[in-house]
Amino acid sequence: SQELEQSPQSLIVQEGKNLTINCTSSKTLYGLYWYKQKYGEGLIFLMMLQKGGEEKSHEKITAKLDEKKQQSSLHITASQPSHAGIYLCGADILGNAGKSTFGDGTTLTVKP
Amino acid sequence: DTEVTQTPKHLVMGMTNKKSLKCEQHMGHRAMYWYKQKAKKPPELMFVYSYEKLSINESVPSRFSPECPNSSLLNLHLHALQPEDSALYLCASSQLVSGAPGELFFGEGSRLTVL
Repeated sequence: SQELEQSPQSLIVQEGKNLTINCTSSKTLYGLYWYKQKYGEGLIFLMMLQKGGEEKSHEKITAKLDEKKQQSSLHITASQPSHAGIYLCGADILGNAGKSTFGDGTTLTVKP
Repeated sequence: DTEVTQTPKHLVMGMTNKKSLKCEQHMGHRAMYWYKQKAKKPPELMFVYSYEKLSINESVPSRFSPECPNSSLLNLHLHALQPEDSALYLCASSQLVSGAPGELFFGEGSRLTVL
């Protein structure tokens, strides 16, 4: 089974709507990272979460880490076309020394 | 602007060619990575260099040969590739936090097509 499960796989929202993407780990997390990728380009680091209950925001994007559930959520408020892309969670997981693990990604489409 | 620079952006090569992908970072990061990404899939780790030494090789075929000339540079030498090796090749770097990668900083990738 996958170590990092991301949901949903894809999301289509109307501009201005809020949305949430989830990432759940099957193992203990040391750090959880969110990235955004435009098709055919590199990943852009968005935010890092390390402590249970931690919450970070950047512009209209907020990420939270629920340590007990080994789960993180990424919430976008009042979505804009510029938010469109692929969102990937990445993590440093116990037992995967020196490697980052990635979820499968969520493709976000924002309709104007 | 990304602080990890990859060249070339696009590369087309035949199965008998020898080519190289290059990556450079000036953030003082001690770990550098090569990832391979196929369409609609997450990046797959290929190699990790920590403090200029190869620390992880994810059972990558020998037709891919990494090289780390110094702490800022990472190369990937390609020889006798197969069409299925066509993909986006991503370089990344990170600071390393207690041995864990930490947040990764990616280049924009090199799109490789093998004919």
